Amino acid sequence: SQKIEQNSEALNIQEGKTATLTCNYTNYSPAYLQWYRQDPGRGPVFLLLIRENEKEKRKERLKVTFDTTLKQSLFHITASQPADSATYLCALDILNTGNQFYFGTGTSLTVIP
Amino acid sequence: DTEVTQTPKHLVMGMTNKKSLKCEQHMGHRAMYWYKQKAKKPPELMFVYSYEKLSINESVPSRFSPECPNSSLLNLHLHALQPEDSALYLCASSYDRSYEQYFGPGTRLTVT
Repeated sequence: SQKIEQNSEALNIQEGKTATLTCNYTNYSPAYLQWYRQDPGRGPVFLLLIRENEKEKRKERLKVTFDTTLKQSLFHITASQPADSATYLCALDILNTGNQFYFGTGTSLTVIP
Repeated sequence: DTEVTQTPKHLVMGMTNKKSLKCEQHMGHRAMYWYKQKAKKPPELMFVYSYEKLSINESVPSRFSPECPNSSLLNLHLHALQPEDSALYLCASSYDRSYEQYFGPGTRLTVT
C-alpha cells in the first residue's frame, strides 16, 4: 500500500527562520502532490499543488519542490511567523490506482516568537 | 462563494441509531469527498463522487452509506455504528479529480 511519511511529527523553529518540511513516499508514482494546512478542529486548507513534470512552485512565502526520482517533496515557509503554526499535510494523487488520494502523516509546526 | 458547509457540527448517537451527515457546496465542483479523521492522524479517504457517481469506495464498512442527490449535495448515512467510528468526518469538493480540494469544517461524531 502507499506509504507517505513526513519528516517529523513536530517541528519547532524561531520566528523569521525558514521552516522546511519533508514528504517522502514509496511504491507509486503520483501525478500530483499537494500541500495543505490544518488548524486544530478544522478542515485542511489547500496551499500548493505541484505536478510530476514541475520541479518547483512558489506562492508568496511558500515554496514546494517535487523530486520524482527521490520520491520526495520539500515544503518551505520563509520568514516564518507565529501565525504559521499549524499541522501541514502533504497529499498524493495517484492516477494509476484509479485516482486514489492519500494524505501524509503530517508535521506539526510551531513558530516560536 | 468558496465555502463547503457541513451539518451538524456535532453529533452524538447510540449504536442503534440512524443519522445522516450533510455537506453542501455551491462552487460548481464536480467531485465531492468524504473523509474520516481520528485524533492526531491524517484524514482518510472514504468515498469519492465524480459527476454524481460513486467512483471510489475505500473498503468502508456498509454501516456507512453515501449518497449524492445532486451536484451540490453529499450525504453520509450512518447506521449501527461502533464506538471506534467516533471521529471528525470531513467533506471536501474539487472542480474535478486531481484539483485542489476545499474542505468543510467537519462533523464531530461521537458514538456511545
